[in-house]
Amino acid sequence: EAGVAQSPRYKIIEKRQSVAFWCNPISGHATLYWYQQILGQGPKLLIQFQNNGVVDDSQLPKDRFSAERLKGVDSTLKIQPAKLEDSAVYLCASSVHRGRAQFFGPGTRLTVL
Amino acid sequence: AQSVTQPDIHITVSEGASLELRCNYSYGATPYLFWYVQSPGQGLQLLLKYFSGDTLVQGIKGFEAEFKRSQSSFNLRKPSVHWSDAAEYFCAVGSPASGGSYIPTFGRGTSLIVHP
Repeated sequence: EAGVAQSPRYKIIEKRQSVAFWCNPISGHATLYWYQQILGQGPKLLIQFQNNGVVDDSQLPKDRFSAERLKGVDSTLKIQPAKLEDSAVYLCASSVHRGRAQFFGPGTRLTVL
Repeated sequence: AQSVTQPDIHITVSEGASLELRCNYSYGATPYLFWYVQSPGQGLQLLLKYFSGDTLVQGIKGFEAEFKRSQSSFNLRKPSVHWSDAAEYFCAVGSPASGGSYIPTFGRGTSLIVHP
């Protein structure tokens, strides 16, 4: 069974630029999560989807971050414009159903200069 | 709001010694509880989870954890540590939300160092 796929693995941009991350969850997994993990901290949930609907986005900085999961499968997280404090690893996870344990992808390491 | 405390930033043990990583949570009801491991350059891997039932939970790689409601704790244990266990360990709490989903909150992690 293929795991959660994320791309790119690494991204370096300058502040005020835009960036997008892509996630393809495990086939058949209805729930998809995006996390931000700053160095030395635990992952922080940004947004949770159930199929193509949002379950929770209370910690998503909506003035600059956006995410979509249009067909209920893969998802894109965008930052526009990026700030220095957005430097982090962005993790995507999926679960077969809400309430079940999550499987994580390898993450995208973002550096904002 | 729920929260998770992992009081130890680093833990150092000798190979073959026993291990206990501490996790305390703050939540008004019985939460869902998880332990994940993150090796360098790797994604997070689920070690074990507690949703209900038996408070002693067995996981992968020889790990176990015990849910103690009176202490709001979910400590992770292993009787004999191997060098390959060196990694970052995260405790997580899930507060049940609508439709059977849960909102996860992670602790800051404990870094395990294993001496030969």
